Amino acid sequence: DAKTTQPPSMDCAEGRAANLPCNHSTISGNEYVYWYRQIHSQGPQYIIHGLKNNETNEMASLIITEDRKSSTLILPHATLRDTAVYYCIAYSGNTPLVFGKGTRLSVIA
Amino acid sequence: NAGVTQTPKFRVLKTGQSMTLLCAQDMNHEYMYWYRQDPGMGLRLIHYSVGEGTTAKGEVPDGYNVSRLKKQNFLLGLESAAPSQTSVYFCASSYGLGNSPLHFGNGTRLTVT
Repeated sequence: DAKTTQPPSMDCAEGRAANLPCNHSTISGNEYVYWYRQIHSQGPQYIIHGLKNNETNEMASLIITEDRKSSTLILPHATLRDTAVYYCIAYSGNTPLVFGKGTRLSVIA
Repeated sequence: NAGVTQTPKFRVLKTGQSMTLLCAQDMNHEYMYWYRQDPGMGLRLIHYSVGEGTTAKGEVPDGYNVSRLKKQNFLLGLESAAPSQTSVYFCASSYGLGNSPLHFGNGTRLTVT
C-alpha cells in the first residue's frame, strides 16, 4: 500500500477546528484513506475512512482532494480529550494494515 | 458487546519463561491481528490470521507463535521470552479487508526482565 506523509506534531486551541493533513501521492485506485488515533497507552481507535468522496461521521470529517494525492482530517471542535497521535494510512487490504509514526496532536486550553 | 478483549492486561516474565496472550472478539470477524508497540514508536505487525485455522507472518514474527483454533480467539505465544520482547501488545480484528476498519483491544503490557 502507498506510503503516507504526516507532520510529526501539531497544536490546536480547544474549541477550534483541528485540521490534520496527510500526503499520499502514490495512492492507487483501490486504496482507501484511513484515519486512526491513539490516546496515550490505549489501543488505536478507528475514526473514519474514504475512497474518493468526502466523508463525515460523528467524530470527524475527511476531505480527499480530487486527485486523491492528499487528504485532511477535520475535528470540528477539538477538546482536550482529542489530544492523541493520529495515523493516516492508505489501505487496500492486499497487505495487512501498516502504521507509520503519525501526527501528535496537542489540544491546548 | 465487548468488542476485542485482551488478557492479561499486564505481565512480568523472567527471561526464558513462556506465556500466551489471549485475544477474543465477539463481532464474528474473519480477520485477526497481533501488533506490538515499543516506546515512542508506531505499531508493528507480528502475525495475522485471515480465518479460523489460518495464520501468517507479519513484519516482526521471530520469537512468536500464534494459533487460531476458534474464529473468535487468536492466541500469541512466547516460547522463551527475551528482554527485547518487552512491549505493549495489541490485538485487532476486522470483518473484511480494504473497506473494513480494524477494531483494537486495549493492549497487554509485557515486561521481560
